[in-house]
Amino acid sequence: QKEVEQNSGPLSVPEGAIASLNCTYSDRGSQSFFWYRQYSGKSPELIMSIYSNGDKEDGRFTAQLNKASQYVSLLIRDSQPSDSATYLCAVRTGGSYIPTFGRGTSLIVHP
Amino acid sequence: DAGVTQSPTHLIKTRGQQVTLRCSPISGHKSVSWYQQVLGQGPQFIFQYYEKEERGRGNFPDRFSARQFPNYSSELNVNALLLGDSALYLCASSVVEEQFFGPGTRLTVL
Repeated sequence: QKEVEQNSGPLSVPEGAIASLNCTYSDRGSQSFFWYRQYSGKSPELIMSIYSNGDKEDGRFTAQLNKASQYVSLLIRDSQPSDSATYLCAVRTGGSYIPTFGRGTSLIVHP
Repeated sequence: DAGVTQSPTHLIKTRGQQVTLRCSPISGHKSVSWYQQVLGQGPQFIFQYYEKEERGRGNFPDRFSARQFPNYSSELNVNALLLGDSALYLCASSVVEEQFFGPGTRLTVL
């Protein structure tokens, strides 16, 4: 069974700090990795996608993928209170069109 | 450009009733997926349709069914509603890999 694991948190960081969110997955055949942000009562919003080992940066967000260790992480630099949300990790394995979602990590950025 | 749209926004039903949820994908997107999300959990996959054909089905009972129309819009039907069907129902559209979610339909079953 494909599993995507995230620490449910909450992860609390001060404003201006780096928030580090982690996700591990069980299927070594996984090929595509996604991070979504979900505000309370809203739907998930795609932040980043990453497909190959290494780092991918987009503004204050950096996704890091390590397929050998089967983890993907999301770094948020200069965290703002508006970043307070649940961050969902989603992983798609080869041979499937369907990503599996983790349960999400709650991030709280306090002023 | 318009994003994914879903209707209705909120819905209250009683046990045993039937419900139909609707979704219109982003223009040009031919794939639509349906997810159920309960509080504190990630979205759980229900169905995916591509070019009007079912391309995947999650671990949900046969009370759940869906279809996709020639204009790529989609409907999710749930029969014989149970209290446990209360959730946020999400529709996502995609053209290749990345899925974009609509605002969701909040279903409450009393």
